[in-house]
Amino acid sequence: SAVISQKPSRDICQRGTSLTIQCQVDSQVTMMFWYRQQPGQSLTLIATANQGSEATYESGFVIDKFPISRPNLTFSTLTVSNMSPEDSSIYLCSVKKGRDYEQYFGPGTRLTVT
Amino acid sequence: GESVGLHLPTLSVQEGDNSIINCAYSNSASDYFIWYKQESGKGPQFIIDIRSNMDKRQGQRVTVLLNKTVKHLSLQIAATQPGDSAVYFCAESGGSNYKLTFGKGTLLTVNP
Repeated sequence: SAVISQKPSRDICQRGTSLTIQCQVDSQVTMMFWYRQQPGQSLTLIATANQGSEATYESGFVIDKFPISRPNLTFSTLTVSNMSPEDSSIYLCSVKKGRDYEQYFGPGTRLTVT
Repeated sequence: GESVGLHLPTLSVQEGDNSIINCAYSNSASDYFIWYKQESGKGPQFIIDIRSNMDKRQGQRVTVLLNKTVKHLSLQIAATQPGDSAVYFCAESGGSNYKLTFGKGTLLTVNP
């Protein structure tokens, strides 16, 4: 397994501003992912964070809105840019180790945009 | 059943009963399936997984059944306890990108 922390745990932001969410893992992992979970909904993959290169985004998500960094094998950030109330969600990072499919999730960042 | 908007499928059981949570998946090429439990205010927690070359796998108090013919997955929880109350998600994956596609989720409520 892996111990994953996210900062901040929650935030209330004004529309038009940006928030950067950090994800820290206690050990090196092969892959890191960012998900969005809108209120009462399931999880939707935003992007795969690639170490040392640009993230791979899913359909409907773009780099200008959700820039992602992954400078090393234990850390990644997701920025939610130019926020609107529709961005109010829980943002979760997950990690995969080795060749297993199993992913472990962080506790999430609950974002409210007013 | 289907969930629309904020309305998750729900299952309410009595403490001590067995629970069965169902999931239909869409991609016949998926070869890995996983169940997560999400308690309020927390991230999803791994419960059990199964590969497509199996049709049943057991863990502690949990069993996952896979029916590839009808693309159906189920999670059975034995002797359900109040601490099992949560939202349960199934997820599927296939291919070398290891991406997970999540189902809609089911809210399990255990009554003491």
